[in-house]
Amino acid sequence: AQRVTQPEKLLSVFKGAPVELKCNYSYSGSPELFWYVQYSRQRLQLLLRHISRESIKGFTADLNKGETSFHLKKPFAQEEDSAMYYCALSAIYNQGGKLIFGQGTELSVKP
Amino acid sequence: ETGVTQSPTHLIKTRGQQVTLRCSSQSGHNTVSWYQQALGQGPQFIFQYYREEENGRGNFPPRFSGLQFPNYSSELNVNALELDDSALYLCASSLGLLRNTQYFGPGTRLTVL
Repeated sequence: AQRVTQPEKLLSVFKGAPVELKCNYSYSGSPELFWYVQYSRQRLQLLLRHISRESIKGFTADLNKGETSFHLKKPFAQEEDSAMYYCALSAIYNQGGKLIFGQGTELSVKP
Repeated sequence: ETGVTQSPTHLIKTRGQQVTLRCSSQSGHNTVSWYQQALGQGPQFIFQYYREEENGRGNFPPRFSGLQFPNYSSELNVNALELDDSALYLCASSLGLLRNTQYFGPGTRLTVL
């Protein structure tokens, strides 16, 4: 079965603390993983795509095929990082790609 | 570059009615995907259109249907509305098929009473 699991609904940290948002996936093919973020009253927007291997806003994510994980990390959280974070898997479907989302983790960064 | 737009922003309907939601894709994008996001959940794939043809469908009943027009804008139609159809409906556009990055619109909030 194709599935994305984000085990934490809410993660609360203090400003300057390290952050790790967990994402595990189940997919039989070659996975392509994304992190999307939704700030308050804004649209869902792409944060990271694993093939890009970029660091965006200080966030990084490494695909671990052995553990089927794609955890999102940031060494020092900022208050402006408070948002909903969704991990998504792009699944090949009828030659197209559909996104399978996790349930999301709300990150709250306290001053 | 124009981003993905959706209309209307909010909509209230009653059970049994029909609704049409609209989406304009980002400039240059020829693929549109629709997702349903219930409260507290991640978005769920409804279907995808590529060059005016349905290219894939998620686990949604036939009363959810769609169209894509020659300018790549799209409509989502839902017939015989049920209370459980209350959700945020998201449209995402991308360039081509496969796993290209999808860019999302702001969504249409549908409430079914």
